[in-house]
Amino acid sequence: DIQMTQSPSSLPASVGDRVTITCRASQGISNFLAWFQQKPGKAPKSLIYAASTLQSGVPSKFSGSGSGTDFTLTISSLQPEDFATYYCQQYHSYPLTFGGGTKVEIK
Amino acid sequence: EVQLEESGGGLVQPGGSLRLSCAASGFTFSDYSMIWVRQAPGKGLEWVSYISSRSSTIYYADSVKGRFTISRDNARNSLYLQLNSLRAEDTAVYYCARGVDPWGQGTLVTVSS
Repeated sequence: DIQMTQSPSSLPASVGDRVTITCRASQGISNFLAWFQQKPGKAPKSLIYAASTLQSGVPSKFSGSGSGTDFTLTISSLQPEDFATYYCQQYHSYPLTFGGGTKVEIK
Repeated sequence: EVQLEESGGGLVQPGGSLRLSCAASGFTFSDYSMIWVRQAPGKGLEWVSYISSRSSTIYYADSVKGRFTISRDNARNSLYLQLNSLRAEDTAVYYCARGVDPWGQGTLVTVSS
């Protein structure tokens, strides 16, 4: 199974900050990597697929990069609605696996 | 608009069974593979099962293999997950999803006596 390691698990930040979340795969997954945002009590929302392609309707302040084993999600200027938990997921092979999550919280 | 809506969750005793449904709309359901993902209270996301568009390929997570059964009815635009021999650790919100997008709103399964 491919293990997905996300860091940090908690990210205190302020409005306007640029934040970066890292996701590392235990083996190469090419660009078969998605990022999700989840707010309390809500379903995960897909932000990025194929490592760097924004889902339709997702604002351009979100960006993704990486290939192989190392990936990043960057939020260019944090807004109040961006405080949430973020997950990476590999879909290179089954079983699909997720990172443990990064909670972006108010500093 | 592409939509997925789960139903069928509830409270069930350990060892019991439940059938979850996922109604799809806004896209050609029969063209897409589908998955189930679950999230235990306060925990992260766990993939549960996969089914290809024509049901020819099915996968399960080791944690549910032999107890859960995924199926679909393309004529009814519906996905199902039969949950048998339920355990306390199966307590979670269960989501259906079309790959990475979209996901349904989820249905809560609580296994408790």
